[in-house]
Amino acid sequence: DAGVIQSPRHEVTEMGQEVTLRCKPISGHDYLFWYRQTMMRGLELLIYFNNNVPIDDSGMPEDRFSAKMPNASFSTLKIQPSEPRDSAVYFCAADSGANVLTFGAGSRLTVL
Amino acid sequence: AQSVTQLDSQVPVFEEAPVELRCNYSSSVSVYLFWYVQYPNQGLQLLLKYLSGSTLVKGINGFEAEFNKSQTSFHLRKPSVHISDTAEYFCAVGGGADGLTFGKGTHLIIQP
Repeated sequence: DAGVIQSPRHEVTEMGQEVTLRCKPISGHDYLFWYRQTMMRGLELLIYFNNNVPIDDSGMPEDRFSAKMPNASFSTLKIQPSEPRDSAVYFCAADSGANVLTFGAGSRLTVL
Repeated sequence: AQSVTQLDSQVPVFEEAPVELRCNYSSSVSVYLFWYVQYPNQGLQLLLKYLSGSTLVKGINGFEAEFNKSQTSFHLRKPSVHISDTAEYFCAVGGGADGLTFGKGTHLIIQP
């Protein structure tokens, strides 16, 4: 099992550009979570899905952020337009329902 | 609502010395408690978890933690640390399928 796969690992973009982060979860893990990590705020839960359905998006900071899970093997987190304060490491994590999260390696986003 | 407080942002300790990383939590639902470790430029990895049963939980790499309900604590301990234990350690609380709430993290610094 390759674990949770995230891409890109690093992204540098300019303010105002659209950013799309991708996640391939572990097969059979029905819960998928998107977290954001910054020095100031630590790890914040942005949104999570159960069986491809968004359950709680209360952590999404504003309308510029959106997340989708079109099928069990793929999810995206999109920021449009991006701003410098969005610079962070974004993690995708999967859970089979056993209350154990398996994290991807993260996508480090820098918005100039 | 649930929250986690990690009292120390960083803990320096000499190699082969014992260490304790402190964690206090609050939760209005059944408590599941976790410790995760993050090495530089990587995602989080599960160290250990408490779901039920024995309050002393043993994890990987020689770490253990004790659930203390009366003190609402879940401190992480290791009797003898190694240079390779240098990392960021996160305590987390969760209940059901609502994802985990993480503490701000404690940076463990091993001094030779």
